[in-house]
Order: sequence, then structure tokens, then C-alpha cells
Amino acid sequence: NAGVTQTPKFQVLKTGQSMTLQCAQDMNHEYMSWYRQDPGMGLRLIHYSVGAGITDQGEVPNGYNVSRSTTEDFPLRLLSAAPSQTSVYFCASSSGGFWAFTEAFFGQGTRLTVV
Amino acid sequence: KNEVEQSPQNLTAQEGEFITINCSYSVGISALHWLQQHPGGGIVSLFMLSSGKKKHGRLIATINIQEKHSSLHITASHPRDSAVYICAVRSTGGGADGLTFGKGTHLIIQP
Repeated sequence: NAGVTQTPKFQVLKTGQSMTLQCAQDMNHEYMSWYRQDPGMGLRLIHYSVGAGITDQGEVPNGYNVSRSTTEDFPLRLLSAAPSQTSVYFCASSSGGFWAFTEAFFGQGTRLTVV
Repeated sequence: KNEVEQSPQNLTAQEGEFITINCSYSVGISALHWLQQHPGGGIVSLFMLSSGKKKHGRLIATINIQEKHSSLHITASHPRDSAVYICAVRSTGGGADGLTFGKGTHLIIQP
């Protein structure tokens, strides 16, 4: 099993560019989510999905879009990159809703720099 | 919104020492997670607790629901335990996914 595969690992963007961070899991998990991690702050939820075709906003959704066309994939799109989106991004999945009662599996992270 | 505080923020210890990392939260929860973030950045789930105590190898996690406090202990610490340890709580009335993360404890174990 590959678990959660997140790509790319590193990315540098210019302000205004768009890009998609890919996230795929092979564990048939219903719940997937995207977080960003900034220095001196805890992980913050960007968007999440409780199943194919269902997505919702988290704590910091502005500037990001998501879709969930299949159970396996949950891409995160940056529409017009801004320096404030410089961060480390993590995708996570779990079998339980909101991974309150089950183990969560994380991708390796994407270190994004917007210049 | 639940407030999650971890202490200490940074901890440097010698190999073999007994390590304790603390997590306190402000409102009732349904579950608490301990995560480990490796120096390379990857995050691994260590424990999920809703009561009592759990043990896995040299790691022990405890939670006191009444005191709104959890501890992560590492016995016979080793340099490979060097990582950031993150506490996350699932609030009983939380919005979105109801999870609040601590800022992490940066642990360095010196040989």
C-alpha cells in the first residue's frame, strides 16, 4: 500500500500563477482533508471532504479550491498564488469521519514558496 | 474554539532520559491525538485517546478528561525520537472537522 501520496514535494510559484497540489490515497478512505502549516502556528484546515462529490470549507479556505470526483483523489488548487500562501501543505485521510476515532494518515507534505 | 497549549515548546535531552510532553485544552473533547512530525516533514499518527492510557513500545500517552490534560511520555529516549510532537483535539462542539492543533513541541535527543 502506498498510503497517502502527495505531490509535488517542493514548488516555487510566482505571484499570480496557479497550480494544483495532488493528493491520492489507496485505502478507500471516505474522509480527506488539506491543512497548511505555518511557523509558530498549529496545522489549520483549508478544505475537507467526507466522500466523493462532497467538499466543505475549513478554517482558512480563501484562495483555494478543491474537488472530489473519486474516493481516491482530492486535489487542492491555488487559483492565483499570493506570498501569503507560502506554507507547507499536508493532505490527510482517514476511514472515520473527521478522524476523531480513527487513525489519520498524512502525505509527505508540499513546501510551497510564492515569490 | 478550543485552545490547545503544549509545553514545553522546545526540549533538548540526553539519550536515555525520560521525556514528558504536555498538552492542555480549554473545552470538552471527544478525542485527542498525538502526532509525530519527522525532521523531513512527514507526519505520523501515534495515538488516539478518549480516556485512560495507551502504550506503544517506548511511547506512553495518558489523558485526564477532568483536568483537560494529556501527556506523552518517551522512555529510554533515543536520537531517532528527535521530532516535533503535535497534540490535536476533537472538540465535542467544534465546527468544520472540529479539530484544533497545538503548535508542537520540538524535541532533540542528543547522543
